[in-house]
Amino acid sequence: GNSVTQMEGPVTLSEEAFLTINCTYTATGYPSLFWYVQYPGEGLQLLLKATKADDKGSNKGFEATYRKETTSFHLEKGSVQVSDSAVYFCALSNYGQNFVFGPGTRLSVLP
Amino acid sequence: SAVISQKPSRDICQRGTSLTIQCQVDSQVTMMFWYRQQPGQSLTLIATANQGSEATYESGFVIDKFPISRPNLTFSTLTVSNMSPEDSSIYLCSVEGGVETQYFGPGTRLLVL
Repeated sequence: GNSVTQMEGPVTLSEEAFLTINCTYTATGYPSLFWYVQYPGEGLQLLLKATKADDKGSNKGFEATYRKETTSFHLEKGSVQVSDSAVYFCALSNYGQNFVFGPGTRLSVLP
Repeated sequence: SAVISQKPSRDICQRGTSLTIQCQVDSQVTMMFWYRQQPGQSLTLIATANQGSEATYESGFVIDKFPISRPNLTFSTLTVSNMSPEDSSIYLCSVEGGVETQYFGPGTRLLVL
C-alpha cells in the first residue's frame, strides 16, 4: 500500500537558519506529492505540490523536488522565520486513491 | 482554490451526547472528505461523501457512529454520535481541487468531557 514517512520532530531552529524536513514515500505508479502546513489553531493549508518526477514545487520560500529515484520529497527553506513555526505534513495522492499523510513534523523557530 | 468554512469552530461536549459539524464550500464540488486528527497525530480519513449517494467509510469508522449527510454540492455534515473522551479531536472537512489536490477547512476542535 501507499505510505509516507517523515523525519521525527520537533525541529527547533534559530531565525534565518536553513531548514530541511525529510519525506520519503512508498507507492505504486506515479503519485502526486504534497506539503501541507498547519499553523497553531488552524486547519491545513496546501504549501506546495509536485505531480511528476523532477518537478519542483515552491511557495513562500519553501521548495521540494520530486525525486523518483530516491522516492523522496524533502522540504527546504533557506532562511526560516518565526512565523514559519507550524506542523508540516508530507502527503501523497495516487490517482483514484485517497490521500495518505505522513505523521507531521513540528517546527519551532526561535527569534 | 476553494474557500471552506466549518461550524462550530470548537465545542466542549458531555459524554453520551452528539455533535453535528457543518462544512460549507464556496463552489460546487463532487467529492468532500471528512478527517479526524487526534491530539498530536496526523490525519485519518473517516469517509468520503458524494452528493446523491451514501458516504464511503474507511476501515474502523462506521455510519452509526459518524453519520454523514451530503444534501447538495456545496454542503456536508458529520455527526459524532454518543461521544466519549476518545472522540476528542480536530475534525476537518476537505474538498477535491484539481490535479488530485485537496483543500481543507479550518477544522472543528472537539473536547469531550
